[in-house]
Amino acid sequence: KNQVEQSPQSLIILEGKNCTLQCNYTVSPFSNLRWYKQDTGRGPVSLTIMTFSENTKSNGRYTATLDADTKQSSLHITASQLSDSASYICVVSAMTGTASKLTFGTGTRLQVTL
Amino acid sequence: EPEVTQTPSHQVTQMGQEVILRCVPISNHLYFYWYRQILGQKVEFLVSFYNNEISEKSEIFDDQFSVERPDGSNFTLKIRSTKLEDSAMYFCASSEANLDQPQHFGDGTRLSIL
Repeated sequence: KNQVEQSPQSLIILEGKNCTLQCNYTVSPFSNLRWYKQDTGRGPVSLTIMTFSENTKSNGRYTATLDADTKQSSLHITASQLSDSASYICVVSAMTGTASKLTFGTGTRLQVTL
Repeated sequence: EPEVTQTPSHQVTQMGQEVILRCVPISNHLYFYWYRQILGQKVEFLVSFYNNEISEKSEIFDDQFSVERPDGSNFTLKIRSTKLEDSAMYFCASSEANLDQPQHFGDGTRLSIL
């Protein structure tokens, strides 16, 4: 069964600090790995998408890494801001025939405080 | 920036009634999706739709569910006879292509079954 596990479940950091969120997956056949940000009461917003051959990808202060051998990914947030407070969801795409099917993690709830 | 819009934002329905959730995907997108998120749980894939037919569906998407693209802009999810456990946030998403392209999510419809 395809699964995506994230840690920590929740995290509180001071504004300006960095943090790293973790994701482990067992999804087959692997197509790509995505990180989404979900603000409370809103739909998820795509941050990065990485395919099998990509080890790292950045989007502003967000940097995602992928180790396809160990099936692990991380999302590093640099110089956090209050607006970074949200849930960060790791999503792995499996290719099934002509369609891709997304498996979502439960997310890491990040709170950035003053 | 174009966005996916969903209506209504909140729908309250009596158990056993039919409900239709509506979505307007981004205009040049070709792939459409429905997801649900039960309160406090992870996002779950329901169905993907391309070229006027279902391309993939999950085990959640049983005979009570159906999707339709009645015209060039709307994409709907119908639940024929709602159950209490259908209470959830339902997200619509769309993408330009299937592989390695971000899915753009709407802000969801909160469905409450009484």
